[in-house]
Amino acid sequence: GEDVEQSLFLSVREGDSSVINCTYTDSSSTYLYWYKQEPGAGLQLLTYIFSNMDMKQDQRLTVLLNKKDKHLSLRIADTQTGDSAIYFCAESNPGGGADGLTFGKGTHLIIQP
Amino acid sequence: GAVVSQHPSWVICKSGTSVKIECRSLDFQATTMFWYRQFPKQSLMLMATSNEGSKATYEQGVEKDKFLINHASLTLSTLTVTSAHPEDSSFYICSARDRVGKNIQYFGAGTRLSVL
Repeated sequence: GEDVEQSLFLSVREGDSSVINCTYTDSSSTYLYWYKQEPGAGLQLLTYIFSNMDMKQDQRLTVLLNKKDKHLSLRIADTQTGDSAIYFCAESNPGGGADGLTFGKGTHLIIQP
Repeated sequence: GAVVSQHPSWVICKSGTSVKIECRSLDFQATTMFWYRQFPKQSLMLMATSNEGSKATYEQGVEKDKFLINHASLTLSTLTVTSAHPEDSSFYICSARDRVGKNIQYFGAGTRLSVL
């Protein structure tokens, strides 16, 4: 079955880098995603990575994928107070019925001044 | 680009009534939309996949007669919670997938349903 795991909380100082980790179990996942959710809001797609890539960088965001270990990480450089939110890791599997995403429980990023 | 609009954002209703939630892709066509449910401090759970012009596909444990889905056009899917009860209170979020290529899903802002 599909399972996505991530730690529930991460606390960092403003200006430092944040690294949010995620592990998944489905080796046939084709896309892996990071979404951001602010309180009471929907999900904002931050970035995604195709399974044949190792790394993707987009401004302050860097995604690393270790397919062998089924490990995905999101690094946020120069973390700001506006980055405070819940970050969800998700995977997509083209097999089975729907192509709905499987989400982790989310990592609550807390920014210390 | 890739904006998904969801309405209403918050609804309070009496037990036994039905509530309709709309999900629209504003600047792209979406052959497939998805409906998720999120409990407080929990992750999103896929409820069903809505395909334009055909019946929705429901995940195991989701009652299709309870949660009616209609995807009548390439830009609109609706979820109707029929005969709502307090246990249906939740945050419902839709997503839409661009019809071209990748499984990149853009999410609406969500609808908070409170059933009294």
